[in-house]
Amino acid sequence: ILNVEQSPQSLHVQEGDSTNFTCSFPSSNFYALHWYRWETAKSPEALFVMTLNGDEKKKGRISATLNTKEGYSYLYIKGSQPEDSATYLCALKVTQGGSEKLVFGKGTKLTVNP
Amino acid sequence: NAGVTQTPKFRVLKTGQSMTLLCAQDMNHEYMYWYRQDPGMGLRLIHYSVGEGTTAKGEVPDGYNVSRLKKQNFLLGLESAAPSQTSVYFCASSSPRLAGGKFYNEQFFGPGTRLTVL
Repeated sequence: ILNVEQSPQSLHVQEGDSTNFTCSFPSSNFYALHWYRWETAKSPEALFVMTLNGDEKKKGRISATLNTKEGYSYLYIKGSQPEDSATYLCALKVTQGGSEKLVFGKGTKLTVNP
Repeated sequence: NAGVTQTPKFRVLKTGQSMTLLCAQDMNHEYMYWYRQDPGMGLRLIHYSVGEGTTAKGEVPDGYNVSRLKKQNFLLGLESAAPSQTSVYFCASSSPRLAGGKFYNEQFFGPGTRLTVL
């Protein structure tokens, strides 16, 4: 069974703080890693798709890095705002029987206090 | 574009009842997926489809059946509901795209269906 681990499970920060969290995955046969942002009562929305070792992607104050050799990705949020409060999911792309699917971690729930 | 829609939004069933959840997408996506989300468990894949007329088992397929008769629709059926199937069900769709020499396949999610089995 493939394990995609995210830590911490939950995180509380103050508005203006910068923060980061981790996604760990098996480093063999890597294809791609996805990050999703999931606000309460809404559906997950894609943030980044990362494919290359050393990739760094950025969207506004959110950025992500990827290390496929050691099997981890970091998500960074600079100057957190209350609207950043959400669960952040990472998902590893795997192929099975010629088709592909995503294996999700359990998420990191971020709460940004004003 | 409506994106990915799911019906119904909420449903309460008694043990042993059957029902079908409908997922529809208007993005002409090839792939469609059904997940369940339970507290502390994250999203777990139930079944998925890589094209019209094809389905495959995911991580937790038992107790569910699916059909993909039309490209835009993916149905999830519970033949005899059990309390363990109380969950929030999410549908997603995707279509591989080539960019910079790499294939990307982001999934787009529906709003979810909250199902309670008594």
